Amino acid sequence: EAQVTQNPRYLITVTGKKLTVTCSQNMNHEYMSWYRQDPGLGLRQIYYSMNVEVTDKGDVPEGYKVSRKEKRNFPLILESPSPNQTSLYFCASSLWEGGGYNEQFFGPGTRLTVL
Amino acid sequence: AQRVTQPEKLLSVFKGAPVELKCNYSYSGSPELFWYVQYSRQRLQLLLRHISRESIKGFTADLNKGETSFHLKKPFAQEEDSAMYYCALAHGSGNTGKLIFGQGTTLQVKP
Repeated sequence: EAQVTQNPRYLITVTGKKLTVTCSQNMNHEYMSWYRQDPGLGLRQIYYSMNVEVTDKGDVPEGYKVSRKEKRNFPLILESPSPNQTSLYFCASSLWEGGGYNEQFFGPGTRLTVL
Repeated sequence: AQRVTQPEKLLSVFKGAPVELKCNYSYSGSPELFWYVQYSRQRLQLLLRHISRESIKGFTADLNKGETSFHLKKPFAQEEDSAMYYCALAHGSGNTGKLIFGQGTTLQVKP
């Protein structure tokens, strides 16, 4: 089944303890992206990647890192999480044909709580 | 700065009534605009994009460059339309992967 998977789905951690949220897609998509969803703020883009080893900042990259060593995986890394990173995180992927935008397929979300 | 505004957090209508979810954008270039929907306990998914000019599930949206709007409309709401709706803007040049979402509007269709 074509899909985007995220792990873990739920995570409670403490301030300063490094964590990684994994994202994987099996659709051979070039484009992948991370978003956070907060009440009243909607979805905000954290980082995106247009292909392997190509990443760029979205609107709210502070406090996050990403890497794209393989086409299918796009992990989100929080080196030193803080309570203001408590949020619902979504990963998405899409084709990147000719540089245009295509339908993004979203993962199920990861609910992160930082105490 | 690029921005997408959805002025209504919640829109509540009765079944059979017309629906219009508002979306206004701020962008100096030629935008690509989308509507995404999230039904209860389902993943966020694309509803429609302006360049395809399709009608999906009875919904349509027209890009009005003069008013910088991309409102989502449906003539007769159904209970199954109840969901969270997001308007999103991408750079029309396609050379950047930035995508900007609005704050979202919850549509509640009452029986």
